Formats: sequence, structure tokens, C-alpha cells
Amino acid sequence: SAVISQKPSRDICQRGTSLTIQCQVDSQVTMMFWYRQQPGQSLTLIATANQGSEATYESGFVIDKFPISRPNLTFSTLTVSNMSPEDSSIYLCSVKFDLTNEKLFFGSGTQLSVL
Amino acid sequence: GNSVTQMEGPVTLSEEAFLTINCTYTATGYPSLFWYVQYPGEGLQLLLKATKADDKGSNKGFEATYRKETTSFHLEKGSVQVSDSAVYFCALSDRGGGADGLTFGKGTHLIIQP
Repeated sequence: SAVISQKPSRDICQRGTSLTIQCQVDSQVTMMFWYRQQPGQSLTLIATANQGSEATYESGFVIDKFPISRPNLTFSTLTVSNMSPEDSSIYLCSVKFDLTNEKLFFGSGTQLSVL
Repeated sequence: GNSVTQMEGPVTLSEEAFLTINCTYTATGYPSLFWYVQYPGEGLQLLLKATKADDKGSNKGFEATYRKETTSFHLEKGSVQVSDSAVYFCALSDRGGGADGLTFGKGTHLIIQP
């Protein structure tokens, strides 16, 4: 396993602003993903963060709203742009260490509230 | 598309009671199935998994059997403890190759009373 650090752990933001969430892993990982967990809902995959190239977004999520970076094998950021109250959610970073193991490891999440 | 349906919570039980949390799924192909647990103040962590029909995953006294005929993966424990209080998520991986994320259910909040 590994230590997955997410920052910030929580934030309260104003409508129309943007927030960047960081995910740092203490060892190299193969895959990094970003999930959203809205109140009372399941975890929904936003995108797969690809090292050195554009992220792969799931249906309903677009790069302009959720730009993602992954400059190396241990770090990724997710930005929530032009926020509205509907973006209030928990955002989770998750990783896989290799493609032969489907097990996901999760960060502790970022709780975002948009006023 | 893929989906996972879990029983609604919260589920409240007394210590030493028998636990069942139902999970059914819809998927193409032959998915792998998982239970994740989120203890208060902590991140999600894998509890158990099963990768093919009739497999039984087990960990920490919890068990779940992959039932292809009923597309189910119910979580059971014979005698729960207060420390089992957490949110439990059923999930599946369908696209194979290990390169994709998982599809999760909504989670079931379990409360164990002493």
C-alpha cells in the first residue's frame, strides 16, 4: 500500500471561483483517478489522469470544467472551475499500483462546499 | 451501462447481531466485484473482492459470494462489533485490464450499538 495525501481536506468557496485539489502519492503508481461523491450518492468516476497527456473523461464530465494534470507518476491535480453550489461534493483521488491488480487505494478526500 | 444497487441505510444493529448488506449489479461481460469500507474520518479501503462466479471473498469476518445467477454480491458477517460501524460500498470492475476505475453503489451506512 502507500500513503495518498490530498489537499485541501476541505474548503468553502464562492460561486464562480475555482479550486485546485492536489493528490500526492509516496510511491510511483500506474493509474490515478478522480472521483466525486455527492451527498447521498455513489462515487462517480470523473476521469483517469494520464501521465504527460490529457486526462480521459467519463460521460458527463468535460475538461473545461474539471481540468486535470498529472506531470509524473506520483502527483495529480484536479481543478473544479467556475464553481456553483451543485459542485458541492467530496472529491476523491484514487490510485492503482499496477494493471494486474484491480484494487483501488483512496485518498481521504476533499470536502468542497460552494456558497 | 454498468450499475450497482445497494440496500438503503442507515442499518442499525446491536453488537453480535448477524449482518447482511444486499448488493446487486448490472454489467456486461464478467465483472470483478468488490466491497469497500470507509471508517469515520478515514479514506475508502478495500474490504474484500471476488473475480469470478462462485468465488467467495472474505476479510475481517466479512464474507461475500459472487452469484452470477442472481447478479448479487451480498456482504455478510456472523457477529458484528461496534468497530464495524462504517459506510460500506459495493463496486464492480467490468472493462478489464486493470486500467479503469470502478462503478460504485451509493453506500450503506452501518451503525452498531453496544
